[in-house]
Amino acid sequence: DAKTTQPPSMDCAEGRAANLPCNHSTISGNEYVYWYRQIHSQGPQYIIHGLKNNETNEMASLIITEDRKSSTLILPHATLRDTAVYYCIKKIPPLGSARQLTFGSGTQLTVLP
Amino acid sequence: KAGVTQTPRYLIKTRGQQVTLSCSPISGHRSVSWYQQTPGQGLQFLFEYFSETQRNKGNFPGRFSGRQFSNSRSEMNVSTLELGDSALYLCASSRQGALTGANVLTFGAGSRLTVL
Repeated sequence: DAKTTQPPSMDCAEGRAANLPCNHSTISGNEYVYWYRQIHSQGPQYIIHGLKNNETNEMASLIITEDRKSSTLILPHATLRDTAVYYCIKKIPPLGSARQLTFGSGTQLTVLP
Repeated sequence: KAGVTQTPRYLIKTRGQQVTLSCSPISGHRSVSWYQQTPGQGLQFLFEYFSETQRNKGNFPGRFSGRQFSNSRSEMNVSTLELGDSALYLCASSRQGALTGANVLTFGAGSRLTVL
């Protein structure tokens, strides 16, 4: 079975960059990688997604390796409000199978003052 | 722009009862999917509706059902509640998929169900 691996927890000092890794045992050429985060007792929040190229938006940057089996989410200047569980997920695009997401166990990021 | 609205936010039921949860998607979003989140199992996909049709269903018993209305609002129902059904139930809405394949889900805050 395909498996997504993330470290269960990480700490980061406030103001520093947080780098969250993710590894997929298998990934197809048309499978996007998405990152969401969930702050306690709230719904998951979309952060960023990518297919092959590195991506950047106002929240974060996403680095994807050439074989696409690894990705790293970078929060450039972590704040206390970035403390959350971060999920890395694969997703088949709408032109393929039905849209659904399978979340791994995620990484609990704690930003320390 | 209004987000995804889920009601009720909190509810308590007893074993054997049934419950109906509601989800109002973002205007213009035609897809609504539902998820169950528990500490032990994490986030698990329940089902997805698009234009009033169920598109896909996760591995949950038939006690879990749903529907979508013509205005894209969706409800899910759980009958004959069991203690293990205690969870945060999340819904997410999205647009019809674009050619790029980018299809972001926007989640609601969830409905927290406690079964006693």
